[in-house]
Amino acid sequence: QVQLQESGPGLVKPSETLSLTCTVSGGSVTYFYWSWIRQSPGKGLEWIGYIYNSAITNYNPSLESRVTISPDTSKNQFSLRLSSVTAADTAVYYCARSVGDYFSFDYWGQGTLVTVSS
Amino acid sequence: DVQMTQSPSSLSASVGDRVTITCRASQGIRNNLSWYQQKPGKAPKRLIYTASNLQSGVPSRFSGSGSGTEFTLTISSLQPEDFATYYCLQHNSYPLTFGGGTKVGVK
Repeated sequence: QVQLQESGPGLVKPSETLSLTCTVSGGSVTYFYWSWIRQSPGKGLEWIGYIYNSAITNYNPSLESRVTISPDTSKNQFSLRLSSVTAADTAVYYCARSVGDYFSFDYWGQGTLVTVSS
Repeated sequence: DVQMTQSPSSLSASVGDRVTITCRASQGIRNNLSWYQQKPGKAPKRLIYTASNLQSGVPSRFSGSGSGTEFTLTISSLQPEDFATYYCLQHNSYPLTFGGGTKVGVK
């Protein structure tokens, strides 16, 4: 059974960088597609981007200039960095898996709330 | 980006009711649409993938149909555990986009 768990600070100051990690068990981050998705009251569910094969990334153009998704295969994790955050980046952040390109998400983490505030 | 419009945004229903939720895409997405159920404080759970395929473990009262630009999720007989918010997701083109959600509440 695949399980995903998000971790990271719950509070980030405006203009700083949000950093989250997703730890995967029951499957390798080397295979499949691993995404970050966020959910805010104002914008609903928003796909942020994915990493595949520990090297190939694809980002939502609306966030691309501020987003980096990277792997840590030794720990079976992948991470999200979102720079220059504002209050609009306050959301619950989820990591999720899909089995291929253009496939939907079958496994999700429980989500972690990140608040951007000074 | 492909815009996904769900309707209604909310509805009230009783146990045993037949419930239908619609998702419309701003352009054709073939059958690359999935449906999710979300309960408060929980992650979305996939119910239907590629328009009409029932996710393993999901009760058969859930069904999906459609292709191109119009899709429906049907709950044939609403159960108490089905009161939740439902979302569609198009995975035909990037960026992947979700519908705005349909909240199914108690009448």
